[in-house]
Amino acid sequence: AQSVAQPEDQVNVAEGNPLTVKCTYSVSGNPYLFWYVQYPNRGLQFLLKYITGDNLVKGSYGFEAEFNKSQTSFHLKKPSALVSDSALYFCAVRDEAAGNKLTFGGGTRVLVKP
Amino acid sequence: DTEVTQTPKHLVMGMTNKKSLKCEQHMGHRAMYWYKQKAKKPPELMFVYSYEKLSINESVPSRFSPECPNSSLLNLHLHALQPEDSALYLCASSQEGTSGRDTYEQYFGPGTRLTVT
Repeated sequence: AQSVAQPEDQVNVAEGNPLTVKCTYSVSGNPYLFWYVQYPNRGLQFLLKYITGDNLVKGSYGFEAEFNKSQTSFHLKKPSALVSDSALYFCAVRDEAAGNKLTFGGGTRVLVKP
Repeated sequence: DTEVTQTPKHLVMGMTNKKSLKCEQHMGHRAMYWYKQKAKKPPELMFVYSYEKLSINESVPSRFSPECPNSSLLNLHLHALQPEDSALYLCASSQEGTSGRDTYEQYFGPGTRLTVT
Protein backbone atom coordinates (compact mmCIF):
# COMPACT_ATOMS: atom_id res chain seq x y z
CA ALA A 1 0.00 0.00 0.00
CA GLN A 2 1.09 3.54 -0.63
CA SER A 3 0.18 6.69 1.28
CA VAL A 4 1.07 10.35 1.49
CA ALA A 5 0.76 12.78 4.38
CA GLN A 6 0.75 16.56 4.23
CA PRO A 7 0.81 17.54 7.90
CA GLU A 8 -0.20 21.17 7.42
CA ASP A 9 -3.67 22.13 6.21
CA GLN A 10 -2.51 25.69 5.60
CA VAL A 11 0.77 27.56 5.36
CA ASN A 12 0.91 31.34 5.65
CA VAL A 13 3.96 33.24 4.43
CA ALA A 14 4.82 36.83 3.64
CA GLU A 15 5.67 37.72 0.06
CA GLY A 16 9.40 37.46 -0.52
CA ASN A 17 9.94 34.97 2.29
CA PRO A 18 10.88 31.33 1.75
CA LEU A 19 8.01 28.90 1.30
CA THR A 20 8.06 25.25 2.42
CA VAL A 21 5.23 22.76 2.02
CA LYS A 22 5.81 19.44 3.78
CA CYS A 23 5.15 15.95 2.48
CA THR A 24 5.97 12.50 3.81
CA TYR A 25 5.22 9.22 2.07
CA SER A 26 5.02 5.50 2.60
CA VAL A 27 5.53 2.91 -0.14
CA SER A 28 6.63 -0.69 -0.23
CA GLY A 29 9.03 -0.24 -3.14
CA ASN A 30 10.84 2.66 -4.77
CA PRO A 31 8.77 5.84 -4.71
CA TYR A 32 7.89 8.05 -7.63
CA LEU A 33 6.98 11.45 -6.15
CA PHE A 34 5.11 14.40 -7.64
CA TRP A 35 3.95 17.87 -6.68
CA TYR A 36 0.87 19.51 -8.19
CA VAL A 37 -0.72 22.93 -7.68
CA GLN A 38 -4.40 23.76 -8.04
CA TYR A 39 -5.78 27.26 -8.42
CA PRO A 40 -9.47 27.92 -7.63
CA ASN A 41 -11.90 26.22 -10.01
CA ARG A 42 -9.04 24.79 -12.07
CA GLY A 43 -7.47 21.43 -12.68
CA LEU A 44 -4.16 20.34 -11.20
CA GLN A 45 -0.94 21.66 -12.72
CA PHE A 46 2.22 19.54 -12.61
CA LEU A 47 5.14 21.24 -10.82
CA LEU A 48 7.90 18.66 -10.53
CA LYS A 49 8.73 15.02 -9.95
CA TYR A 50 11.35 12.77 -8.41
CA ILE A 51 11.97 9.42 -10.03
CA THR A 52 15.66 8.74 -9.46
CA GLY A 53 18.98 10.57 -9.41
CA ASP A 54 19.75 13.90 -7.77
CA ASN A 55 17.80 14.37 -4.55
CA LEU A 56 17.16 18.05 -5.32
CA VAL A 57 14.63 18.44 -8.08
CA LYS A 58 13.87 21.73 -9.80
CA GLY A 59 10.49 22.40 -11.36
CA SER A 60 8.19 25.04 -12.78
CA TYR A 61 7.74 28.61 -11.47
CA GLY A 62 10.89 28.53 -9.33
CA PHE A 63 9.78 25.60 -7.17
CA GLU A 64 12.10 22.84 -6.06
CA ALA A 65 11.80 19.80 -3.83
CA GLU A 66 14.22 17.67 -1.89
CA PHE A 67 13.89 13.91 -1.72
CA ASN A 68 15.04 12.48 1.61
CA LYS A 69 14.92 8.70 1.65
CA SER A 70 15.82 8.25 5.32
CA GLN A 71 13.06 10.61 6.43
CA THR A 72 10.67 9.48 3.66
CA SER A 73 10.02 13.12 2.86
CA PHE A 74 9.64 15.20 -0.29
CA HIS A 75 9.18 18.81 0.83
CA LEU A 76 8.36 21.51 -1.71
CA LYS A 77 10.29 24.77 -1.47
CA LYS A 78 10.48 28.16 -3.07
CA PRO A 79 13.16 30.66 -2.00
CA SER A 80 11.00 33.76 -2.41
CA ALA A 81 7.20 33.40 -2.43
CA LEU A 82 4.87 35.47 -4.60
CA VAL A 83 1.27 36.44 -3.90
CA SER A 84 0.39 34.52 -7.07
CA ASP A 85 1.72 31.32 -5.42
CA SER A 86 -1.37 31.29 -3.21
CA ALA A 87 -3.11 28.04 -4.12
CA LEU A 88 -3.76 24.45 -3.03
CA TYR A 89 -0.73 22.15 -3.26
CA PHE A 90 -0.88 18.37 -3.50
CA CYS A 91 1.93 15.88 -3.02
CA ALA A 92 1.44 12.51 -4.74
CA VAL A 93 3.25 9.19 -4.77
CA ARG A 94 3.38 6.11 -6.91
CA ASP A 95 4.93 2.85 -5.84
CA GLU A 96 6.88 1.47 -8.79
CA ALA A 97 4.82 -1.70 -8.47
CA ALA A 98 1.46 0.11 -8.38
CA GLY A 99 1.11 0.69 -12.09
CA ASN A 100 -0.07 4.16 -12.98
CA LYS A 101 -2.14 4.75 -9.85
CA LEU A 102 -1.31 7.97 -7.99
CA THR A 103 -2.09 8.49 -4.32
CA PHE A 104 -2.53 12.11 -3.27
CA GLY A 105 -1.94 13.77 0.06
CA GLY A 106 -4.75 15.75 1.63
CA GLY A 107 -3.45 19.04 0.25
CA THR A 108 -1.96 22.16 1.80
CA ARG A 109 -3.43 25.59 1.21
CA VAL A 110 -0.74 28.23 0.78
CA LEU A 111 -1.58 31.85 1.46
CA VAL A 112 1.08 34.41 0.53
CA LYS A 113 0.38 37.82 1.99
CA PRO A 114 1.67 41.05 0.43
CA ASP B 1 1.28 21.31 -26.06
CA THR B 2 0.32 19.84 -22.67
CA GLU B 3 -3.38 20.58 -22.86
CA VAL B 4 -6.22 18.37 -21.78
CA THR B 5 -9.64 19.78 -22.61
CA GLN B 6 -12.92 18.93 -20.93
CA THR B 7 -16.51 19.74 -21.82
CA PRO B 8 -18.78 21.01 -20.51
CA LYS B 9 -17.27 23.30 -17.88
CA HIS B 10 -20.43 23.20 -15.80
CA LEU B 11 -23.31 20.71 -15.78
CA VAL B 12 -26.52 20.67 -13.78
CA MET B 13 -28.58 17.53 -14.04
CA GLY B 14 -31.51 15.91 -12.33
CA MET B 15 -31.37 12.48 -10.78
CA THR B 16 -33.23 10.92 -13.70
CA ASN B 17 -31.16 12.53 -16.45
CA LYS B 18 -28.53 10.96 -18.67
CA LYS B 19 -25.53 13.10 -19.56
CA SER B 20 -21.93 12.66 -20.67
CA LEU B 21 -18.65 14.33 -19.81
CA LYS B 22 -16.01 14.55 -22.52
CA CYS B 23 -12.23 14.73 -22.37
CA GLU B 24 -9.71 15.12 -25.18
CA GLN B 25 -5.93 15.22 -25.45
CA HIS B 26 -3.61 15.42 -28.44
CA MET B 27 -0.31 14.70 -26.72
CA GLY B 28 -0.15 11.09 -27.89
CA HIS B 29 -0.69 9.85 -24.35
CA ARG B 30 -1.95 6.27 -24.07
CA ALA B 31 -3.14 6.40 -20.46
CA MET B 32 -6.23 8.41 -19.50
CA TYR B 33 -7.91 8.87 -16.15
CA TRP B 34 -11.12 10.03 -14.51
CA TYR B 35 -11.00 11.56 -11.03
CA LYS B 36 -13.67 12.92 -8.72
CA GLN B 37 -12.79 15.84 -6.47
CA LYS B 38 -14.85 17.27 -3.65
CA ALA B 39 -14.20 20.80 -2.41
CA LYS B 40 -10.85 21.23 -0.63
CA LYS B 41 -10.13 17.50 -0.93
CA PRO B 42 -7.62 15.60 -3.06
CA PRO B 43 -8.73 13.98 -6.30
CA GLU B 44 -10.07 10.43 -5.98
CA LEU B 45 -9.25 8.05 -8.79
CA MET B 46 -12.27 6.53 -10.53
CA PHE B 47 -11.04 4.86 -13.72
CA VAL B 48 -7.85 4.32 -15.69
CA TYR B 49 -7.65 3.47 -19.38
CA SER B 50 -4.42 2.12 -20.78
CA TYR B 51 -4.15 1.76 -24.56
CA GLU B 52 -7.91 2.26 -24.79
CA LYS B 53 -8.66 -0.61 -22.43
CA LEU B 54 -10.05 -0.20 -18.94
CA SER B 55 -7.25 -1.16 -16.56
CA ILE B 56 -8.46 0.19 -13.21
CA ASN B 57 -11.99 0.63 -11.84
CA GLU B 58 -11.87 1.83 -8.26
CA SER B 59 -15.18 0.17 -7.36
CA VAL B 60 -17.15 3.03 -8.86
CA PRO B 61 -20.97 2.69 -8.87
CA SER B 62 -22.44 1.57 -12.17
CA ARG B 63 -24.26 4.88 -12.60
CA PHE B 64 -20.87 6.09 -13.86
CA SER B 65 -19.87 4.43 -17.14
CA PRO B 66 -16.55 5.26 -18.80
CA GLU B 67 -15.79 4.93 -22.48
CA CYS B 68 -12.61 5.38 -24.48
CA PRO B 69 -13.58 5.59 -28.18
CA ASN B 70 -9.99 6.20 -29.32
CA SER B 71 -6.60 7.14 -27.97
CA SER B 72 -7.46 10.86 -27.79
CA LEU B 73 -10.94 10.76 -26.31
CA LEU B 74 -12.39 9.74 -22.99
CA ASN B 75 -16.04 9.94 -22.01
CA LEU B 76 -17.87 9.50 -18.72
CA HIS B 77 -21.53 8.62 -19.10
CA LEU B 78 -23.75 9.57 -16.19
CA HIS B 79 -27.16 8.09 -15.36
CA ALA B 80 -29.39 8.23 -12.30
CA LEU B 81 -26.88 10.15 -10.23
CA GLN B 82 -27.36 11.13 -6.61
CA PRO B 83 -26.88 14.58 -5.06
CA GLU B 84 -23.73 13.31 -3.32
CA ASP B 85 -22.20 12.80 -6.77
CA SER B 86 -21.96 16.56 -7.14
CA ALA B 87 -18.26 17.34 -7.49
CA LEU B 88 -15.52 18.49 -9.84
CA TYR B 89 -14.73 15.72 -12.33
CA LEU B 90 -11.19 15.81 -13.61
CA CYS B 91 -9.73 14.06 -16.61
CA ALA B 92 -5.99 13.43 -16.89
CA SER B 93 -3.59 11.76 -19.30
CA SER B 94 -0.02 10.48 -19.22
CA GLN B 95 2.48 8.70 -21.41
CA GLU B 96 2.97 5.00 -20.97
CA GLY B 97 6.32 3.31 -20.92
CA THR B 98 6.78 0.18 -22.99
CA SER B 99 7.21 -1.88 -19.82
CA GLY B 100 4.01 -0.47 -18.36
CA ARG B 101 6.00 1.01 -15.49
CA ASP B 102 5.95 4.52 -16.77
CA THR B 103 7.36 7.33 -14.71
CA TYR B 104 5.47 10.05 -16.44
CA GLU B 105 3.47 12.77 -14.80
CA GLN B 106 -0.24 13.11 -15.37
CA TYR B 107 -1.61 16.20 -17.07
CA PHE B 108 -5.01 17.36 -15.89
CA GLY B 109 -7.85 19.11 -17.63
CA PRO B 110 -9.71 22.04 -16.02
CA GLY B 111 -12.56 19.80 -14.91
CA THR B 112 -16.34 19.70 -15.20
CA ARG B 113 -18.25 21.10 -12.23
CA LEU B 114 -21.23 18.76 -11.84
CA THR B 115 -24.29 19.57 -9.75
CA VAL B 116 -26.95 16.92 -9.26
CA THR B 117 -30.34 18.27 -8.17
